Amino acid sequence: GQQLNQSPQSMFIQEGEDVSMNCTSSSIFNTWLWYKQDPGEGPVLLIALYKAGELTSNGRLTAQFGITRKDSFLNISASIPSDVGIYFCAGFNYGGSQGNLIFGKGTKLSVKP
Amino acid sequence: NAGVTQTPKFQVLKTGQSMTLQCAQDMNHNSMYWYRQDPGMGLRLIYYSASEGTTDKGEVPNGYNVSRLNKREFSLRLESAAPSQTSVYFCASRTGSNNEKLFFGSGTQLSVL
Repeated sequence: GQQLNQSPQSMFIQEGEDVSMNCTSSSIFNTWLWYKQDPGEGPVLLIALYKAGELTSNGRLTAQFGITRKDSFLNISASIPSDVGIYFCAGFNYGGSQGNLIFGKGTKLSVKP
Repeated sequence: NAGVTQTPKFQVLKTGQSMTLQCAQDMNHNSMYWYRQDPGMGLRLIYYSASEGTTDKGEVPNGYNVSRLNKREFSLRLESAAPSQTSVYFCASRTGSNNEKLFFGSGTQLSVL
């Protein structure tokens, strides 16, 4: 079946550093979503992308919909301690069933003050 | 401004007991989903409902039943709980518009002893 490969699996960075993570797939997606999950909480939607090449920002977060439609990137600039959490991507493929929403397994971000 | 509301937040069951996880959304979405999240496995789809009155199996439906009571509510039932069903459960609802978004509840942490 379809899979999303998300990397890196984990990151340990210093406060103030920039962060990059990405998701890739062998399949084409029509929509990419990026989420953040804090411990004991549900995933919260950060950014949604709908067009190949689209670049969208939400504060210090910037995400891009890859030109090939098979990948997406999330960057966090000037990280702060509250950025700690698990970030994961999700891709929609309209050509599939209603349930055809694929998730990456997440990138765990740790920030050292 | 509630979004997706799940109850209970925590639950401990003994093997063989039954329970129902409740979910309601106030965003007038047609599609609703139940996922389970396990370490290293990411989010896996249990069941989904494309609209009121319809439900379909996802990736891991065994041991679960669902009811789409009305457009707002989508419940998940464990008829005879097993230790393998120890997990965190998330309900989600989907916009269904051209600009797709998926919103999650805060989760139910279930332990089956």
